[in-house]
Amino acid sequence: GAVVSQHPSWVICKSGTSVKIECRSLDFQATTMFWYRQFPKQSLMLMATSNEGSKATYEQGVEKDKFLINHASLTLSTLTVTSAHPEDSSFYICSAPSGLAGVAEQFFGPGTRLTVL
Amino acid sequence: LAKTTQPISMDSYEGQEVNITCSHNNIATNDYITWYQQFPSQGPRFIIQGYKTKVTNEVASLFIPADRKSSTLSLPRVSLSDTAVYYCLVGETGGSYIPTFGRGTSLIVHP
Repeated sequence: GAVVSQHPSWVICKSGTSVKIECRSLDFQATTMFWYRQFPKQSLMLMATSNEGSKATYEQGVEKDKFLINHASLTLSTLTVTSAHPEDSSFYICSAPSGLAGVAEQFFGPGTRLTVL
Repeated sequence: LAKTTQPISMDSYEGQEVNITCSHNNIATNDYITWYQQFPSQGPRFIIQGYKTKVTNEVASLFIPADRKSSTLSLPRVSLSDTAVYYCLVGETGGSYIPTFGRGTSLIVHP
C-alpha cells in the first residue's frame, strides 16, 4: 500500500522556539493532506486540511498563525509550530487520501512526538 | 457528516473472536465505512473498508446490515498484539471527504 512518512519522529524543544514537521507521500501524489493532533488517551483531533498550491483550511479553534501549514508540492506538506509552549506538546499525525476511485482510505504517517520544555 | 458511536472499551482473551460494533445512523448514500487500528505512539493503520453486506480480508471481517446504520468489525482469534484502539470512520470518496475520528474502542486482549 501507499506510504506516508513524517520527519522527525520525535522532537524536544525549548519554549518559544519554532518546530517544523514534514509529511511526505512517498509513492503517490496528494493534493490534500490532513494534520491531526492527539493528546494522551484521546482520539485524533483534526487540525487542518492542507491543500497543494493554496491556503490550508483550519478547524475551528486552531490558530492559523501558530500552526503554519505549507503544501508546496504534491508529495510534501509541512506543519510549523511557531513559538511553541508546553501546552503544544502532543503527538502530531498527518494523512493523505488514497486517491483511488471508489475508495475512502486514508494513509497515515507514523506521527511526530513534540515535547516542549 | 455522519457521526459514529462505538463502545469506549472492550476486553477479550487470546484466541477469542472479538466483535466491535459502530453505530452510524446518519450514514449517507455515498458513504463508505472504514476501520482503522492504532497502537500507542503510532499513526492509525487501515484494517478494512466496506459499503454493504460483508467484506473479508486476511485480518478481519466487516459486517454491514442492509440499512447500513451500523457495522461490526470482527477480529477472529485475537492475540495480545491486537490490543489497540479501533476507530470506525464513515465518509464518501472524493476530494470533499474530511476524515474525522470519534472516540474509538480500546480493545485489551488478556492472556
